[in-house]
Amino acid sequence: GAGVSQSPSNKVTEKGKDVELRCDPISGHTALYWYRQSLGQGLEFLIYFQGNSAPDKSGLPSDRFSAERTGGSVSTLTIQRTQQEDSAVYLCASSLDQRGTSGSHEQYFGPGTRLTVT
Amino acid sequence: GNSVTQMEGPVTLSEEAFLTINCTYTATGYPSLFWYVQYPGEGLQLLLKATKADDKGSNKGFEATYRKETTSFHLEKGSVQVSDSAVYFCALSQAGTALIFGKGTTLSVSS
Repeated sequence: GAGVSQSPSNKVTEKGKDVELRCDPISGHTALYWYRQSLGQGLEFLIYFQGNSAPDKSGLPSDRFSAERTGGSVSTLTIQRTQQEDSAVYLCASSLDQRGTSGSHEQYFGPGTRLTVT
Repeated sequence: GNSVTQMEGPVTLSEEAFLTINCTYTATGYPSLFWYVQYPGEGLQLLLKATKADDKGSNKGFEATYRKETTSFHLEKGSVQVSDSAVYFCALSQAGTALIFGKGTTLSVSS
């Protein structure tokens, strides 16, 4: 079946512009996560959705970052007024409902969006 | 807070050598533990997992045992292949929370 898909695969933007990154999770997966992978910081958690609500936004690095999820499916990560330090690969993952499972369900990752801020 | 520490790379081995990548964790309670692998040019994929103490996860010849007494989840393989060259990430997760990753270990296997 279809895996997690993300678009665009690559995005080059000028400093100060806004960008939107999209994630389509696996059908039926209620949990959705955004991570960021950069050379200096490794893999960092950004935000977690359970259905359409975000019980954990603790990883968002600043108020320039926001995310939403609609219909319990597609999610969009928005970065406003991009900065060069936002350059990274943004990864989305989805899984079955993690609640009450000790976090044991596998997270399936998308291919990522490589963001370059010039 | 929770954290994962894994050995820094790169690790360079000859084909058929024995592999160990060390991973230790800090967490309250009983997290689930994972090894993810990222092959060149590909996305992250789960290699193996263990959800409780003394569980052994295994896949593709790789193994790791959840050791609560030493808070460790070391990855091992008896005989590596060139195709195992990749970046390996140790990670933990607790109920309803995101994965916390180690910094990753790059493995290069030469023939």
